[in-house]
Amino acid sequence: DVKVTQSSRYLVKRTGEKVFLECVQDMDHENMFWYRQDPGLGLRLIYFSYDVKMKEKGDIPEGYSVSREKKERFSLILESASTNQTSMYLCASSFMTGGNEQFFGPGTRLTVL
Amino acid sequence: AQSVAQPEDQVNVAEGNPLTVKCTYSVSGNPYLFWYVQYPNRGLQFLLKYITGDNLVKGSYGFEAEFNKSQTSFHLKKPSALVSDSALYFCAVRDIDAGNNRKLIWGLGTSLAVNP
Repeated sequence: DVKVTQSSRYLVKRTGEKVFLECVQDMDHENMFWYRQDPGLGLRLIYFSYDVKMKEKGDIPEGYSVSREKKERFSLILESASTNQTSMYLCASSFMTGGNEQFFGPGTRLTVL
Repeated sequence: AQSVAQPEDQVNVAEGNPLTVKCTYSVSGNPYLFWYVQYPNRGLQFLLKYITGDNLVKGSYGFEAEFNKSQTSFHLKKPSALVSDSALYFCAVRDIDAGNNRKLIWGLGTSLAVNP
C-alpha cells in the first residue's frame, strides 16, 4: 500500500514564526502536492512538484514556499505564519503516468495564534 | 475552463437505503474522474476512478460510480448505506488544460449523513 506520512497531526504556532510541514511518500511517486482544506472551500492547491528541485505554484501560493531536495520528501514552509494560515494541510503524491490518482497523508491541523 | 460541481452540500439517507452523491464535470477531451472519501480529521482516501471502458466503475467499500458522457456526470452510488459511510465525499477530474495533466480539479465536497 502507498504510504504518505506527514510530520505532525496537530501543530500550534505563533504569528510570525517560521513553520515547516514535512511530507514523505514511499512509493517512488514523481508528483507531490500540498493542499489546504477549509470548511466550505474544499481543497485548494498551494504548490506541487513533479520532480526533485522542481516546483510549480498552485492556486494559492502566497505566503508559502516549498522544497523538494529528495524524491520522497516534499516540505511546505510558512515563512512568517499568520492567523489566516490556520487550516488543515494535506500532502498527496501520485505517479506521473497512469490514472494520476493522488494518495493522501493524514493531514496536519495547524493553528496560528 | 474545466470544472467539477457537487450540487449538494449535504445528503441525508437512512441506513439500508440506496445512496447517491452527485458530481458533474466540464472538461475538454476525455475525462479522468475520481471519487475520494474523507472521514473526520483524516486525509482523503481514494475510492474509485474512471478512465475508459465500462461506464459503471466499482470501488472500495461497496461503492460504485456511473459515468454518463451525455449528461457529463459521474455520480457515486451504493445499494445499501451504512452508518459508517457517513463522511465527506469529493469528486475530482484530471486537469488537462495547457498540457498539464498532473493536477486534479476538485469539487467542494458533499457531506453524507447516514441515519440509523
